[in-house]
Amino acid sequence: GAVVSQHPSRVICKSGTSVKIECRSLDFQATTMFWYRQFPKQSLMLMATSNEGSKATYEQGVEKDKFLINHASLTLSTLTVTSAHPEDSSFYICSFQKVGTEAFFGQGTRLTVV
Amino acid sequence: AQKVTQAQTEISVVEKEDVTLDCVYETRDTTYYLFWYKQPPSGELVFLIRRNSFDEQNEISGRYSWNFQKSTSSFNFTITASQVVDSAVYFCALKEGGTSYGKLTFGQGTILTVHP
Repeated sequence: GAVVSQHPSRVICKSGTSVKIECRSLDFQATTMFWYRQFPKQSLMLMATSNEGSKATYEQGVEKDKFLINHASLTLSTLTVTSAHPEDSSFYICSFQKVGTEAFFGQGTRLTVV
Repeated sequence: AQKVTQAQTEISVVEKEDVTLDCVYETRDTTYYLFWYKQPPSGELVFLIRRNSFDEQNEISGRYSWNFQKSTSSFNFTITASQVVDSAVYFCALKEGGTSYGKLTFGQGTILTVHP
């Protein structure tokens, strides 16, 4: 299966600061990436879909100015949580897909905003 | 709109017991894909199975088996002779449309705890 590397795995930041999460596909090129968020004991909710070289498409209720997504290349996508607040504390997980296969997920990033 | 329901929030069993995790889905599409993923305490999602809507054959993989019933819109997952290492959160997911590529709708997840 494909390998997706997500960093950092854990991050603690102060309220008001920004945090960048990186997601790389290590062995295939992915035109589309998905970012999910998971609150404790809840399901994964899609935040946005990003296509390489174009603007991300955000799900309803997700602030695009707060969650900046950059899909700079076919192997790299970043999610930046800007001006983070405690309510942004969550588990963020990226997913690459290849056509005809299942989705491959990163290891996830546990963000804690204090 | 599509929806996936995993009614069992938490299940607790003793090692070697069989356990079935339920998944019921809703979709208006005639073509769709269903998935099961395992999320161990470390957090990453581990792919277990993908099934398209035209393939109703049940599948067995070692101690894992899946029962897909279109008539009841269910895609249940059974672990036979459970082990402590099976303890995790299990998610059922749905992808509408003719390819397995794209946005997944996840169920709420079932927390499985297997006691020694």
